[in-house]
Amino acid sequence: DSGVTQTPKHLITATGQRVTLRCSPRSGDLSVYWYQQSLDQGLQFLIQYYNGEERAKGNILERFSAQQFPDLHSELNLSSLELGDSALYFCASSPGGQGDLENGYTFGSGTRLTVV
Amino acid sequence: AQTVTQSQPEMSVQEAETVTLSCTYDTSESDYYLFWYKQPPSRQMILVIRQEAYKQQNATENRFSVNFQKAAKSFSLKISDSQLGDAAMYFCAYRSRNYGQNFVFGPGTRLSVLP
Repeated sequence: DSGVTQTPKHLITATGQRVTLRCSPRSGDLSVYWYQQSLDQGLQFLIQYYNGEERAKGNILERFSAQQFPDLHSELNLSSLELGDSALYFCASSPGGQGDLENGYTFGSGTRLTVV
Repeated sequence: AQTVTQSQPEMSVQEAETVTLSCTYDTSESDYYLFWYKQPPSRQMILVIRQEAYKQQNATENRFSVNFQKAAKSFSLKISDSQLGDAAMYFCAYRSRNYGQNFVFGPGTRLSVLP
């Protein structure tokens, strides 16, 4: 157990629907990152939050949004889902600050999203 | 923008033998960090080893070591005395030293360990 908790582990939904993925970071970590892992695109950075504020944005579609709450858990909202959104969505966390530069993140086990 | 390439989609190794996974990257920066992550069937992304670009000495972690060639922009992972539990996807990753930048991952190499 890495200490980063993602729910649900699996999700199957239909095209056009909206889903919410949840992530609880490791205790004490202030930064949360979302990554998408698909077969053809590999691991792609989506977005980062630090202590409730958006810190960095990657290849995140406009149909996707995220937020980090005061208790530091984060949610990734995916709407108007398409078949191509089927992927493994990872959350990772880190303490935050300059120490993150040399440290890897702690990853959760991911949420497998299947859009049918 | 930085890119990371792993030219071996799949590799296999006999148990107890040694295998080397290749990684090359492209960057115009002089200071950065490189990582190898392991993703077993459990899907968990596990940090295997990291290297700081300004350190010439190759990093080692038990049976795992790297061959870092900065001029060639090469960062290979050597696994010695391979074990069945080493079977996984291995991702090479680059991270800029500029704060706020995130990881750039390679496409991965699937390693099979044969008994």
